[in-house]
Amino acid sequence: KNEVEQSPQNLTAQEGEFITINCSYSVGISALHWLQQHPGGGIVSLFMLSSGKKKHGRLIATINIQEKHSSLHITASHPRDSAVYICAARSPNYGQNFVFGPGTRLSVLP
Amino acid sequence: DTAVSQTPKYLVTQMGNDKSIKCEQNLGHDTMYWYKQDSKKFLKIMFSYNNKELIINETVPNRFSPKSPDKAHLNLHINSLELGDSAVYFCASSQGQGVYGYTFGSGTRLTVV
Repeated sequence: KNEVEQSPQNLTAQEGEFITINCSYSVGISALHWLQQHPGGGIVSLFMLSSGKKKHGRLIATINIQEKHSSLHITASHPRDSAVYICAARSPNYGQNFVFGPGTRLSVLP
Repeated sequence: DTAVSQTPKYLVTQMGNDKSIKCEQNLGHDTMYWYKQDSKKFLKIMFSYNNKELIINETVPNRFSPKSPDKAHLNLHINSLELGDSAVYFCASSQGQGVYGYTFGSGTRLTVV
């Protein structure tokens, strides 16, 4: 079992749909990181959060520390949102390094 | 004007060779990292380094060594390459522990034949 789990593993949506990607982890963390890996392989840091909620454009990330769970939401999805979304948790249990989830592959169809 | 640049983008080499991957960041960040992304697409931390401290993931073989000539560069040296070293290697940087996020390089695809 991975220390950081994501669901779903794969997600196909129609353009305009509201998308939710989930991340759960098993230990107390100091920070959670959401990243986007484009089909070409490049990685972009989306959010770093340790509590509450952050919003950037059509992307919203939330975290519930007590439930050890974070969600990434995409509103009004677009084909250019197609990518792999990865969450990573940093914890003293991991030596303050980030442990990465397996990623969620999102395809948004026009 | 690339923020974190890695070279080369592709590297094909034979088993047993020694190779280096270079990484440079022009963001003024004080912490740099090397990650390995294996065939299953998992990203795993290999090293994190700032002026004060090198943190090594204990699972990384000692054939891998980071070299930092200055705070803008963190190169990855790999000795005696093995087939299992084939992967994509990403360099990244952050300010401190990355409260504002990390910036990743575009990756180096290493293939050992």
